[in-house]
Amino acid sequence: SQQGEEDPQALSIQEGENATMNCSYKTSINNLQWYRQNSGRGLVHLILIRSNEREKHSGRLRVTLDTSKKSSSLLITASRAADTASYFCATGGLRGSNYKLTFGKGTLLTVNP
Amino acid sequence: DGGITQSPKYLFRKEGQNVTLSCEQNLNHDAMYWYRQDPGQGLRLIYYSQIVNDFQKGDIAEGYSVSREKKESFPLTVTSAQKNPTAFYLCASSIIDRGRNQPQHFGDGTRLSIL
Repeated sequence: SQQGEEDPQALSIQEGENATMNCSYKTSINNLQWYRQNSGRGLVHLILIRSNEREKHSGRLRVTLDTSKKSSSLLITASRAADTASYFCATGGLRGSNYKLTFGKGTLLTVNP
Repeated sequence: DGGITQSPKYLFRKEGQNVTLSCEQNLNHDAMYWYRQDPGQGLRLIYYSQIVNDFQKGDIAEGYSVSREKKESFPLTVTSAQKNPTAFYLCASSIIDRGRNQPQHFGDGTRLSIL
């Protein structure tokens, strides 16, 4: 079963605008990770936020985590055409989950020049 | 450069045939994973391995088999028992650190189709 569910499924914006994607999950987590996938390629890790963290930044990326609502958001500021990709959240379970990650279905972001 | 290499990039399978997908990493990672991705879907875990000569079934292991004879290599065999093998297959690896999930590094995938 899918643990993380991204919202929206697809998002189309103009270059320079901000893009926000959301992820909801069902059970307690160790950490939550965001990945990017360009068409026909493998996934690339973007950022990891631990369950005791509320916000994390990396360049133009800002991730928030609300464990009480079991949700996370990924904000990409000042988007570029090169940001066009699918974005996935992945959750890591508590100790005993054998290091597995459970991935959502992804948000397809299109940034128009 | 360190990374994960998957081969071939494209693979075609005839009915009743077993095919093997290669995955090699030079990142010195202990853990390796195989995922299946269908169009518009997320990744589903097929098998994973934390140590040489040991591996565990993921969520959709039926019709697949793996081996882990070397730390660097984790080949996946799609057997004839897998009735719907057409998909994009991704291999990943990660370090193992005190029970906490670590970032996974991915190869560029193998696209498998039925002839």
